[in-house]
Amino acid sequence: QVQLQQSGPGLVKPSQTLSLTCTVAGGSINTGGSYWSWVRQHPGKGLEWIGYIYYSGSTSYNPSLKSRLTISVDTSKNQFSLRLSSVTAADTAVYYCARVLYYYDSSAYLFDFWGQGTLVTVSS
Amino acid sequence: DIVMTQSPDSLAVSLGERATINCKSSQSVLYSSNNKNYLAWYQQKPGQPPKLLIYWASTRESGVPDRFSGSGSGTDFTLTISSLQAEDVAVYYCQQYYTTLFTFGPGTKVDVK
Repeated sequence: QVQLQQSGPGLVKPSQTLSLTCTVAGGSINTGGSYWSWVRQHPGKGLEWIGYIYYSGSTSYNPSLKSRLTISVDTSKNQFSLRLSSVTAADTAVYYCARVLYYYDSSAYLFDFWGQGTLVTVSS
Repeated sequence: DIVMTQSPDSLAVSLGERATINCKSSQSVLYSSNNKNYLAWYQQKPGQPPKLLIYWASTRESGVPDRFSGSGSGTDFTLTISSLQAEDVAVYYCQQYYTTLFTFGPGTKVDVK
């Protein structure tokens, strides 16, 4: 069973860069058909997809965040990471990493495993 | 972007009674070539990440109790909990994967009356 373990600071100053890492346990990040994603949830609000990465390094980003966003993968460590630059209070949220399972026959993407979430507060 | 809306925002149901949640997409998420609706439902309990309940609008994920069922097609969908249990108290989200700009509904909170 895949487990996702998140790490990174819970407090970031305005204008700085938010950085989080997700370590994949119980499976390989190199698994075909698995995409590795970030989703965030503003306090008391719904879910917002941030972006995903494939083990090859191919990425897809939410256009609303694209200019500030980098998602990277380190296959040697079975990890993928999120970097969001120039943060403001509006970026305060719980950030989740998740596995997105891709079904080749139907081009479907399902978020089937999730990390526990990291509350990131942007404040000076 | 496909905008997802849900109704009601919240509902309270007596234990053992039925709970019904509606989800609407701003455009059809039915893929004509395979006649599948690219719509999933998630359950999120307080302090926990979302959990996949249903995909293809009506297929239960492995291990999900059969009191959870999904229906609908095109732009209008429903999640039904046939007999509410205490452990079903949660927020429920619909999500479309018709486009890879994945979008979620705002959520419906289900409580016990």
